[in-house]
Amino acid sequence: DSGVTQTPKHLITATGQRVTLRCSPRSGDLSVYWYQQSLDQGLQFLIHYYNGEERAKGNILERFSAQQFPDLHSELNLSSLELGDSALYFCASSGRTDTIYFGEGSWLTVV
Amino acid sequence: GENVEQHPSTLSVQEGDSAVIKCTYSDSASNYFPWYKQELGKGPQLIIDIRSNVGEKKDQRIAVTLNKTAKHFSLHITETQPEDSAVYFCAARAPGNQFYFGTGTSLTVIP
Repeated sequence: DSGVTQTPKHLITATGQRVTLRCSPRSGDLSVYWYQQSLDQGLQFLIHYYNGEERAKGNILERFSAQQFPDLHSELNLSSLELGDSALYFCASSGRTDTIYFGEGSWLTVV
Repeated sequence: GENVEQHPSTLSVQEGDSAVIKCTYSDSASNYFPWYKQELGKGPQLIIDIRSNVGEKKDQRIAVTLNKTAKHFSLHITETQPEDSAVYFCAARAPGNQFYFGTGTSLTVIP
């Protein structure tokens, strides 16, 4: 158990809809990262937050947004969903050590 | 920005043989290199890491080597077992605490 908690674990929704994925980082970690992993693909970096502030953006679509709250949990909002958005979305956190630790992911299926 | 390349994309070995996965990075300022193992449907898990001031690190059957001059690092798994079958990702941490991942290696250990 990495200590990073993601909800929901699985989500099925229709095209055009909006979903919110939630992440609780490891206790004390100030950094939260979001990654997207499509079938047989690598880990695509979406966005990085540090203590509530956006630090870096990767290949994140304009239809996607994220935020980190004062209690350090983070949410990734995906809107106007398309079939191609179906993927595994990972949250990771870092802070006390050098590396980042991943949650178990949220499986999103858009139908 | 940093660019991490990983080879091979797939690797099959006989049980008991060794497996080697190689990565190169582009940013000489990157200073930390973790390796992750991802089993099907799960989040990537840290298996070993190395810092830029170290040339080699070993943990039981797993070892990582780093050549800073050539900007490449490798994962070595000895005496492979079926449970080593998974996808392995290398990563490099660039300034700003950004992590860049390789595209993954699917390792199959044949009993």
